[in-house]
Amino acid sequence: DGGITQSPKYLFRKEGQNVTLSCEQNLNHDAMYWYRQDPGQGLRLIYYSQIVNDFQKGDIAEGYSVSREKKESFPLTVTSAQKNPTAFYLCASSTPEGGNTIYFGEGSWLTVV
Amino acid sequence: AQSVAQPEDQVNVAEGNPLTVKCTYSVSGNPYLFWYVQYPNRGLQFLLKYITGDNLVKGSYGFEAEFNKSQTSFHLKKPSALVSDSALYFCAVRSSTDSWGKFQFGAGTQVVVTP
Repeated sequence: DGGITQSPKYLFRKEGQNVTLSCEQNLNHDAMYWYRQDPGQGLRLIYYSQIVNDFQKGDIAEGYSVSREKKESFPLTVTSAQKNPTAFYLCASSTPEGGNTIYFGEGSWLTVV
Repeated sequence: AQSVAQPEDQVNVAEGNPLTVKCTYSVSGNPYLFWYVQYPNRGLQFLLKYITGDNLVKGSYGFEAEFNKSQTSFHLKKPSALVSDSALYFCAVRSSTDSWGKFQFGAGTQVVVTP
């Protein structure tokens, strides 16, 4: 099936650790995104990428890093510099033109222990 | 800059009654408008979108939305709500003047449908 796969679904991070969330899509989309969702709140854009080997910071990029080495993959690393990383993380993709829809993965829960 | 407002944090409706979730927007250029639904611990699912043409858009699960340019609104509607419609609903917008797809999401509206 075509879609966006995020893994793991649940992840626990110790203080001072970096963790990486995986996002893979087989929709042949050029654009990919990472959003953060806190309980009871809306979506905030962390990073986005229009094309392979290119990405831009979103509204809350501090403490996060990404790479885009392949069209299908857009992993997000939550670094130890992110002081409040506990949240639900959503990966998404779209084709960039016109009114094309953005599609989401099932999300990953990150909890600091 | 583009923005989206969902003025109601929560909407309560009895099963079988009409459901309306409100959304207003502000963009430069023409708007592309979307509605998504999110169930607990899940990703967002696409419901419908307005790009151009007929102001009334029909989508998944019996939902529809009406684009009103003069009021800059895109309210989501369902004639007869089901308990299974209880979820978090997001409105999103992007501008036709954007060279690529950066979306602005509203804060979300929690819909509670009671039996």
